[in-house]
Amino acid sequence: SQQGEEDPQALSIQEGENATMNCSYKTSINNLQWYRQNSGRGLVHLILIRSNEREKHSGRLRVTLDTSKKSSSLLITASRAADTASYFCATDAGNQGGKLIFGQGTELSVKP
Amino acid sequence: NAGVTQTPKFQVLKTGQSMTLQCAQDMNHEYMSWYRQDPGMGLRLIHYSVGAGITDQGEVPNGYNVSRSTTEDFPLRLLSAAPSQTSVYFCASKAGTLRAKNIQYFGAGTRLSVL
Repeated sequence: SQQGEEDPQALSIQEGENATMNCSYKTSINNLQWYRQNSGRGLVHLILIRSNEREKHSGRLRVTLDTSKKSSSLLITASRAADTASYFCATDAGNQGGKLIFGQGTELSVKP
Repeated sequence: NAGVTQTPKFQVLKTGQSMTLQCAQDMNHEYMSWYRQDPGMGLRLIHYSVGAGITDQGEVPNGYNVSRSTTEDFPLRLLSAAPSQTSVYFCASKAGTLRAKNIQYFGAGTRLSVL
């Protein structure tokens, strides 16, 4: 079964607005990562947050992690049409060689 | 930088046929893995390898075989294709099992249809 569940499944916003995606997971983790997938392409790593971190920033991305609630959120500020993609969270439970388990993804559409 | 290279990009098979999906990486990564992506299911891990000569099963291994004879290559074999294996397959690699750098690099995918 999937470790991560993402919410919402789809999100449509206007350019310039902020986009927030949430991820919940079931077991303890070493770290949680967010990946982006453009249509018809492979996944690209965006940001990694360790279990002892609560917030991390990278450019227009902000990730938060609440290990007590087993949840994470990805915020994209001042969105652009080029941000249109699917976004996946992935958890590393710290076993089996650092195997990652992916959520189902959030499909983000940013309209110009 | 080639990164992770998957071939072929597209493939159509008939039920019962066999084929091998190729995956190669030029980053000297220890860890390689295969995922399948289906609508509404996200990515599911099929098999993975923590180094040459070592493989293990993921969440959905049935119907697939792998081997890892070199660091660079990690082929995925379908012995007798079934329509349920129609999917997009992604190969990924990462530097090792070090927790602090558990970032995976993905290939562009192989789109497989089994009729």
